[in-house]
Order: sequence, then C-alpha cells, then structure tokens
Amino acid sequence: ILNVEQSPQSLHVQEGDSTNFTCSFPSSNFYALHWYRWETAKSPEALFVMTLNGDEKKKGRISATLNTKEGYSYLYIKGSQPEDSATYLCAFPSNFGNEKLTFGTGTRLTIIP
Amino acid sequence: DTEVTQTPKHLVMGMTNKKSLKCEQHMGHRAMYWYKQKAKKPPELMFVYSYEKLSINESVPSRFSPECPNSSLLNLHLHALQPEDSALYLCASSQTGTGSSQPQHFGDGTRLSIL
Repeated sequence: ILNVEQSPQSLHVQEGDSTNFTCSFPSSNFYALHWYRWETAKSPEALFVMTLNGDEKKKGRISATLNTKEGYSYLYIKGSQPEDSATYLCAFPSNFGNEKLTFGTGTRLTIIP
Repeated sequence: DTEVTQTPKHLVMGMTNKKSLKCEQHMGHRAMYWYKQKAKKPPELMFVYSYEKLSINESVPSRFSPECPNSSLLNLHLHALQPEDSALYLCASSQTGTGSSQPQHFGDGTRLSIL
C-alpha cells in the first residue's frame, strides 16, 4: 500500500496572505506527482503533473516544486483569494502508465475574507 | 464546465434494485476510470479501462460491474448494493501511451445513497 501524505489537513488563511502545503510520497519507483484542486460541488481539476526532480511549475498565483530524492512536493499560493478555497489533493501513480493513482488525504484550504 | 459528463447526479436506491451510472467524454481519451469517494476521504480507484478493455480491477465486489461500450462511454452497473456502498462515484478519463505525464479529467460525480 502506497503512503501518500499531505499536511496540514486543513488551513485557514487571511485573504491576501500567501500559503503553502506539503505532499510526501515514496521516493522509490517515481513516475510522476499530480496536484488537483477540488472545490465543493465541483469536479477535481488538474493543476500540475510533475515528473522531473527539481521541477517547478506555475499557474497564475499557484506554483509547485518537486523533490523526488527526498519524496516531497510543495504547493504555494501567493496572495490568496476567496476562490482559492478548496481541497488540494496530490496523487502518486504506482505504474508507468499513470493509470493507478493513489491520492493523499488532501489539504482543505479556507480563505478568510 | 467539466468535459466529463456523469449521470445521474444523485441516485437513491434500495438494496435489491439494479441501476447504472453513466459517464461520457468526447476528448478522445482512451483511458477511463471509476473512483469511489467516501466523506472526508480521498478518491479510491475501482476500475480502469484502456482502449475499451478492463485493465485494472482493484478487487471490487462483483455487485459493481463496469462496462465500456465504446471509447466515449463508461458505465457502472449496480446490483444488490449494501448501505456501506453509499458514496460519491467519480468518473475520469485521460490520454494513454504517454507515460505518467498526463492528468486525469474528472466528472462531477454521482452521489449514491443506498437505503
């Protein structure tokens, strides 16, 4: 059973502040690391798929880094807005085809206006 | 709007009923997935279809029966479910043959309640 852990479990952040949270995963047999954002009553939305050690990806105010040697990824949100409130899930494929994703338990982010 | 469409959005059924969940995508993806998600837990993979063939079954009980009639459609047939099967059922799709670099695209899910 793969162990994909996220911390913290939940987070309240003042609007305008920046924040970050962590996903840790097995460092052996690494294929990729996915990040998804899941807003209430909507479908999970892919943010990033990261494959190379040292990768840094950015989408607007959200960015992510990857360290495959030590088995962790950080997701950063700069200048949080109310629309950033969501659960952020990381997922780790256990096969090369990317089909078998194991999800972390998520970080539930609430932005306080 | 999601590009993966799931119907129905909500379903209430008795333990002796037979019903089906449907999923459709028109992105040309050849991999399709069913996940089960219980409250405050992450999605758990149930089945994967690749090129319309079942490639992964995560030891799911036989009361759940998947079907992939064509490359755009994925069904999940339900029969004699138990109350603990009440959950959100998510469908997803992705490109295949490109290694691990492609994300999965999810539908909004079907909220299933077993009486």
